[in-house]
Amino acid sequence: EAQVTQNPRYLITVTGKKLTVTCSQNMNHEYMSWYRQDPGLGLRQIYYSMNVEVTDKGDVPEGYKVSRKEKRNFPLILESPSPNQTSLYFCASRDYSTDTQYFGPGTRLTVL
Amino acid sequence: GQQLNQSPQSMFIQEGEDVSMNCTSSSIFNTWLWYKQDPGEGPVLLIALYKAGELTSNGRLTAQFGITRKDSFLNISASIPSDVGIYFCAGYPTGANSKLTFGKGITLSVRP
Repeated sequence: EAQVTQNPRYLITVTGKKLTVTCSQNMNHEYMSWYRQDPGLGLRQIYYSMNVEVTDKGDVPEGYKVSRKEKRNFPLILESPSPNQTSLYFCASRDYSTDTQYFGPGTRLTVL
Repeated sequence: GQQLNQSPQSMFIQEGEDVSMNCTSSSIFNTWLWYKQDPGEGPVLLIALYKAGELTSNGRLTAQFGITRKDSFLNISASIPSDVGIYFCAGYPTGANSKLTFGKGITLSVRP
């Protein structure tokens, strides 16, 4: 089954404790991205990657890092999380042939 | 960045009714996508539209790519309780390497 998976689905942590949210897709898509979703603000892109070893900032990259060492995986790293990073995070991958984007199930992060 | 406009923020309808939503932009889009997001889940693609005037159906859902290329419409006919959720429009504006742009979504409630 074609899908985007994320782990963990839920995470509660404390300020300053480094964390990684993993993302994997099995559709061989080149383009992947991370979004955060906040009430009243909609979906905002954090980082994206157009291919292996190619990453770029989205609209709200501050406080986040990503890496793309292989096509299927695109982890999101928070080196020193802060409470304003409490949010719902989505990973997505893009199918260039149909110009559509597929989302993972989301990771709800709470930073205390 | 660019924004897609969706309003109102919430809609309340009676089961069995039809509902129509629209999405507008100040600039031209090449592709329009409609997503539905259930509580606690990631957005799921409903319909993709690729050319001006295109009308596409997916079950009880019908979407249209506006002739001006600056808007799109989604209609849900004979609503049922499981239609409850947030409906997002999204699109790729013109230009190389354009990023997917989202509306803020409309929360649909269906009264039994």
